[in-house]
Amino acid sequence: GESVGLHLPTLSVQEGDNSIINCAYSNSASDYFIWYKQESGKGPQFIIDIRSNMDKRQGQRVTVLLNKTVKHLSLQIAATQPGDSAVYFCAENRYTGRRALTFGSGTRLQVQP
Amino acid sequence: GAGVSQSPRYKVAKRGQDVALRCDPISGHVSLFWYQQALGQGPEFLTYFQNEAQLDKSGLPSDRFFAERPEGSVSTLKIQRTQQEDSAVYLCASTLTTGRTEAFFGQGTRLTVV
Repeated sequence: GESVGLHLPTLSVQEGDNSIINCAYSNSASDYFIWYKQESGKGPQFIIDIRSNMDKRQGQRVTVLLNKTVKHLSLQIAATQPGDSAVYFCAENRYTGRRALTFGSGTRLQVQP
Repeated sequence: GAGVSQSPRYKVAKRGQDVALRCDPISGHVSLFWYQQALGQGPEFLTYFQNEAQLDKSGLPSDRFFAERPEGSVSTLKIQRTQQEDSAVYLCASTLTTGRTEAFFGQGTRLTVV
């Protein structure tokens, strides 16, 4: 199949371990942040989002942390599974003005069985 | 439909040809976005529709790119006189309303200009 990101930073983890994927953003005016998962040959898939007035949000096996002081976002995946292997992108947006997502650079997650 | 559908899945065009890429958003979704994704990069915004109105086309790289959504559902992205630098995956996304954060993406159209 197609490869979404041939030269992306890669995080390799063992199945069952926890994964932490990091993202630095630049726009301090963003209202919310989103993590997307993109498997080879597919479009991005929404994972979880967080408003800018929050610092943590949990979903099913995933936690997003937001540090506005250093403009840093992270995605934690608990008990990583082979199906989690993909490229992960962070994105930011605002509730007003331009509606489009601004994507950051991606990270490839490889889960070793 | 069940999800956002894009066609064709793959398109090979000779340099100078015109191409048309189609997006069928999720039924009832108000907002529709087109993005361009180069290999190894995150998607980059091209244009945005709210129903049939094109509210933002600031990301279109040149006047060779044109998008429409005449009835507020299906959208077409047209690229005239394709160039090699147009080679990329073109993604379409839709959201239920303008305020919703969860955008649903199609699988994309991979355009290769030879």
